[in-house]
Amino acid sequence: KQEVTQIPAALSVPEGENLVLNCSFTDSAIYNLQWFRQDPGKGLTSLLLIQSSQREQTSGRLNASLDKSSGRSTLYIAASQPGDSATYLCAVPGGGTSYGKLTFGQGTILTVHP
Amino acid sequence: SQTIHQWPATLVQPVGSPLSLECTVEGTSNPNLYWYRQAAGRGLQLLFYSVGIGQISSEVPQNLSASRPQDRQFILSSKKLLLSDSGFYLCAGDRSGNTEAFFGQGTRLTVV
Repeated sequence: KQEVTQIPAALSVPEGENLVLNCSFTDSAIYNLQWFRQDPGKGLTSLLLIQSSQREQTSGRLNASLDKSSGRSTLYIAASQPGDSATYLCAVPGGGTSYGKLTFGQGTILTVHP
Repeated sequence: SQTIHQWPATLVQPVGSPLSLECTVEGTSNPNLYWYRQAAGRGLQLLFYSVGIGQISSEVPQNLSASRPQDRQFILSSKKLLLSDSGFYLCAGDRSGNTEAFFGQGTRLTVV
């Protein structure tokens, strides 16, 4: 059974810092890995999707890497801003063509203070 | 682009009352659809998924049921709510040929 773990559980940083969020998964036979952002009381917004054949994906100040063999992914946020404060979730699909059948980590709660 | 609409945004219901949460999809056809629950202090748990009209798979035994009466409509129901049904319910989908999952804005259900 796939298990996804995220470290740290919470992170508080001053504005402007570069930071790294970690995600690990137990079964390396994944099709892709997706990073989401969740604001309090809101749904999930997809940030980045990395296919299993890719090593990394970039979107603006966000960069996500994937090392499938070691079962790890990292989300790098450059020059953090207060607006980046949210919960960040990583998730992997369970196989087959049901890509939305996801196993999620518990999330990292990020607070960026001015 | 694909969009998921969920309503209501918040709901307070007494124990023993029925429940119906609706989710509709725009911008794609024949999506796979999913219901997740996020309980307080816990992660996201997959409840049901559907690969087509009338096709429902349940992931965990529970007091809830799901139905898919139309291609872009997914409904979560209960005949009698329990206190333990409280949580944040999210509808999600993935588009045929596209591996990225997309989510609605969720419904906060409080059973009192």
